[in-house]
Amino acid sequence: DVKVTQSSRYLVKRTGEKVFLECVQDMDHENMFWYRQDPGLGLRLIYFSYDVKMKEKGDIPEGYSVSREKKERFSLILESASTNQTSMYLCASSSPGQGAPYEQYFGPGTRLTVT
Amino acid sequence: SQQGEEDPQALSIQEGENATMNCSYKTSINNLQWYRQNSGRGLVHLILIRSNEREKHSGRLRVTLDTSKKSSSLLITASRAADTASYFCATVLSGNTPLVFGKGTRLSVIA
Repeated sequence: DVKVTQSSRYLVKRTGEKVFLECVQDMDHENMFWYRQDPGLGLRLIYFSYDVKMKEKGDIPEGYSVSREKKERFSLILESASTNQTSMYLCASSSPGQGAPYEQYFGPGTRLTVT
Repeated sequence: SQQGEEDPQALSIQEGENATMNCSYKTSINNLQWYRQNSGRGLVHLILIRSNEREKHSGRLRVTLDTSKKSSSLLITASRAADTASYFCATVLSGNTPLVFGKGTRLSVIA
């Protein structure tokens, strides 16, 4: 059974703090993704990675960075948290498939509140 | 950038009825996927349909794809209260590119 785990379900941080969100997958997937989900806006892609030490910007990378030192782990970093980063953060992984990626497997999400 | 757009945004039906959700997209795709999200949780993959397929079934789910109209529909037959969730379509353009999600349809099934 594929498992994608995220380090916290709920997190409360103060403005200006550095925040680390961790994601681990156990399926040896090459691809990993970070999204944020806000009411009325759907899922928006922040960063993704197709391999260790590789990263690509998604649609809304500003204010975020990522780290992928090991294949199974993809970390999202908020360098200096701001209130507009209060959101649900979802991590996902997938295999690149043959010609096109297969389905994505999602973690349970981290609901981050920045006060 | 969001390519897929679901319609309706919200749908409320009685248990036992069928629920139909639609997804339209803008550019050519390799495949289209449907996901379900229960309140406050991660997304769960339901079904994948490739651009050369027109219809796929999985249990009570039926998905159609019309590439000429750039649209897809998800039909849930004999709905149950447990089907209450948000449903998202996601498109894969080509190669190893990220999925592009729509904003979702919120389905409420009333017992």
